[in-house]
Amino acid sequence: DAMVIQNPRYQVTQFGKPVTLSCSQTLNHNVMYWYQQKSSQAPKLLFHYYDKDFNNEADTPDNFQSRRPNTSFCFLDIRSPGLGDAAMYLCATSRDLRGSQETQYFGPGTRLLVL
Amino acid sequence: SQKIEQNSEALNIQEGKTATLTCNYTNYSPAYLQWYRQDPGRGPVFLLLIRENEKEKRKERLKVTFDTTLKQSLFHITASQPADSATYLCVLAGANNLFFGTGTRLTVIP
Repeated sequence: DAMVIQNPRYQVTQFGKPVTLSCSQTLNHNVMYWYQQKSSQAPKLLFHYYDKDFNNEADTPDNFQSRRPNTSFCFLDIRSPGLGDAAMYLCATSRDLRGSQETQYFGPGTRLLVL
Repeated sequence: SQKIEQNSEALNIQEGKTATLTCNYTNYSPAYLQWYRQDPGRGPVFLLLIRENEKEKRKERLKVTFDTTLKQSLFHITASQPADSATYLCVLAGANNLFFGTGTRLTVIP
């Protein structure tokens, strides 16, 4: 019954080595989000897709990119991970945009470790 | 931008008691407010949503209130159980933005 799936659950990468995290959903939701969450902090929205329209948050570093090849899949690419990018990365979906009173369904997250 | 404060970083209560978590915000009143539960190493899970024109919402042992005058939401868990131990996140939504609180870590002691 998994609805939002993230792979891998744990990812170890080297400083500066590109890494891709993946997310898939079985809900057929229009919107997919990527959040970064560090220990004891609130999730921080990086960007979201409404269908194929990409929306970047103003303070998201250029080092972070995203792709959504189809409704079900969304990828987070970190081009040159730094030590400060070590965090939990959460993927979420919603049927419509958040301003429309839609709840978000989160995946289990991918824990990224940068060595 | 909206600033959200959740009453305390950690709250310990005895099993069977009612846990009350507080969420205060500083600026405009959101169109709606949500509460999520997050377990360690997991993604948040939606619990309840309350709209600005609603005073109270209930779901089983959970109750949420929303006071736009005080700019505050209270989240109650009655007859608390050790399985309720988790971090609870208050999430505010306006027209086009979503703001997460840092959460309150609740521990229910058997």
